[in-house]
Amino acid sequence: AQSVAQPEDQVNVAEGNPLTVKCTYSVSGNPYLFWYVQYPNRGLQFLLKYITGDNLVKGSYGFEAEFNKSQTSFHLKKPSALVSDSALYFCAVRGPNTNAGKSTFGDGTTLTVKP
Amino acid sequence: GAGVSQTPSNKVTEKGKYVELRCDPISGHTALYWYRQSLGQGPEFLIYFQGTGAADDSGLPNDRFFAVRPEGSVSTLKIQRTERGDSAVYLCASSLRDSGANVLTFGAGSRLTVL
Repeated sequence: AQSVAQPEDQVNVAEGNPLTVKCTYSVSGNPYLFWYVQYPNRGLQFLLKYITGDNLVKGSYGFEAEFNKSQTSFHLKKPSALVSDSALYFCAVRGPNTNAGKSTFGDGTTLTVKP
Repeated sequence: GAGVSQTPSNKVTEKGKYVELRCDPISGHTALYWYRQSLGQGPEFLIYFQGTGAADDSGLPNDRFFAVRPEGSVSTLKIQRTERGDSAVYLCASSLRDSGANVLTFGAGSRLTVL
């Protein structure tokens, strides 16, 4: 079985400071890892993914994430947070033989960036 | 269309009633997915279509839930004899095809409230 843990329900940072949203996972085989963001009254939007290759992946809006196989983690990061980054963030995982729809999502982390 | 469209955006119904939720995926996307998102939780897989056929319906909670995609484009999720526990946001997503690395494009969701 595959699973995702987002240990923090809420992350608060000041604008201009770096941010980290944590994600750990469990899956059989090499993982496919994703971050999605959800703004109020809008659908989830893709931010970035790790499939293979370089452990540091860069995505939309200046976000990046680092895949750490030994720690089974895929933390989302941004060097300098913006107020407009405030949203609900979801980490998702699936195994290489799992169809895309059966990705397992975490319960989400609410990021609040204060001016 | 430009994005995944879901209607209605909000549906309030009474316990025991029948409900239909519609999803119009991105044109040309052959894979379509339904999820359910309860408050404070991440999306939970319900069913996945590749073309017209349901390739995986293992996430449907019981036989009151059914989904169709008769022409390989628009899909309808049908819920019979609704119960208060069915209250949630129902999300639809599509992708160009189903392969492991594919990104899901989500609609804004249909919020179902069963009184």
